[in-house]
Amino acid sequence: DQQVKQNSPSLSVQEGRISILNCDYTNSMFDYFLWYKKYPAEGPTFLISISSIKDKNEDGRFTVFLNKSAKHLSLHIVPSQPGDSAVYFCAASTANAGKSTFGDGTTLTVKP
Amino acid sequence: DVKVTQSSRYLVKRTGEKVFLECVQDMDHENMFWYRQDPGLGLRLIYFSYDVKMKEKGDIPEGYSVSREKKERFSLILESASTNQTSMYLCASSFRQTNEKLFFGSGTQLSVL
Repeated sequence: DQQVKQNSPSLSVQEGRISILNCDYTNSMFDYFLWYKKYPAEGPTFLISISSIKDKNEDGRFTVFLNKSAKHLSLHIVPSQPGDSAVYFCAASTANAGKSTFGDGTTLTVKP
Repeated sequence: DVKVTQSSRYLVKRTGEKVFLECVQDMDHENMFWYRQDPGLGLRLIYFSYDVKMKEKGDIPEGYSVSREKKERFSLILESASTNQTSMYLCASSFRQTNEKLFFGSGTQLSVL
């Protein structure tokens, strides 16, 4: 049973437009959510996170939205840049577990 | 600059061989993790450790073991490598506080022939 799902394997957007990456989860015990970005031949790097007590967190061009009732979160990148082209992983954790459960990843391509 | 270093970038082994994947972090992190990444399956947790000499099974521990003799070093062991263990292996570390972000190494691409 996959507890964190990213249903879109890939997304292509034009430079300057908005990129929206989606993530769904099934475990209502998850209380912290993170996004990581991964370039080829590198390990994932942390991008942005959100606690379940919030519904939005913003950091520069990156905003994460959380809809707890729908068990859904999304990452918005505005404006998108070619350097944003990477695989994006959604991850979720519970306070007691100390470990993160990852989604399958979405490959974002930003075209110049 | 914080660092998680994995000993090998690419590794080719034969079926049945014993394989050691080494990971070292220089951030004095308490937690260390081993994940594998496969196309369409994302990152799956193999084993993790909260402290020296402690280990916990992740979601897919079968066929693997780990060793953590020192705080900075976490080793993943494939006792008898099989072809279905061909994968990208990623080591990560974090502070003990809950909900801490992970710092990842660059990964080891293991091929078992």
